[in-house]
Amino acid sequence: SYELTQPPSVSVSPGQTARITCSGDALPKQYAYWYQQKPGQAPVLVIYKDSERPSGIPERFSGSSSGTTVTLTISGVQAEDEADYYCQSADSSGTYEVFGGGTKLTVL
Amino acid sequence: QVQLQESGPGLVKPSQTLSLTCTVSGGSISSGSYYWSWIRQPAGKGLEWIGRIYTSGSTNYNPSLKSRVTISVDTSKNQFSLKLSSVTAADTAVYYCARDKPYYGSGTWGQGTLVTVSS
Repeated sequence: SYELTQPPSVSVSPGQTARITCSGDALPKQYAYWYQQKPGQAPVLVIYKDSERPSGIPERFSGSSSGTTVTLTISGVQAEDEADYYCQSADSSGTYEVFGGGTKLTVL
Repeated sequence: QVQLQESGPGLVKPSQTLSLTCTVSGGSISSGSYYWSWIRQPAGKGLEWIGRIYTSGSTNYNPSLKSRVTISVDTSKNQFSLKLSSVTAADTAVYYCARDKPYYGSGTWGQGTLVTVSS
């Protein structure tokens, strides 16, 4: 079955830029979505259609796509951004959705 | 603003069927073009997409769960439901319901409900 691959962890200091990647063979054909999840809370959508930001999401969150990899970039990381981040996309035929394994962002 | 709330038994015995309901408030489940989805998360692990039902009634399921999963909608109660049969301890997780707008992602989630499979 289809898989999306994320690094298990990323660490950055406050004010720096965090980049979280997500790789999958169908990403050139299917949009990617990014979710932020803090402990004990439901996930929150932070990026849709590869690079669009929902209303209410800070401008420091951005997304990009290149071939089979999509990237979530958090510029000027703040302590409150420490969370787990998940990418989501569909298989090549759009039949079902898959989540990446998640990346724990640590703000040093 | 649409809100979602999961409900159902918190404890299910092995081999039985897990049944959960997601109640939609603040809007009609049959209006607009949305997917109504179920996602789960075992403790300390990542998110797993279970499946979804479209406003039209069509469904899509995770291939690894497809043989055990049924998602349905009850428009009269403004609810949608998940049934997962032949459960084992591996099905123990927090189960979330969510509303997806095609190409816009899952913008609305329930708070999640913990289901434990144990005898």
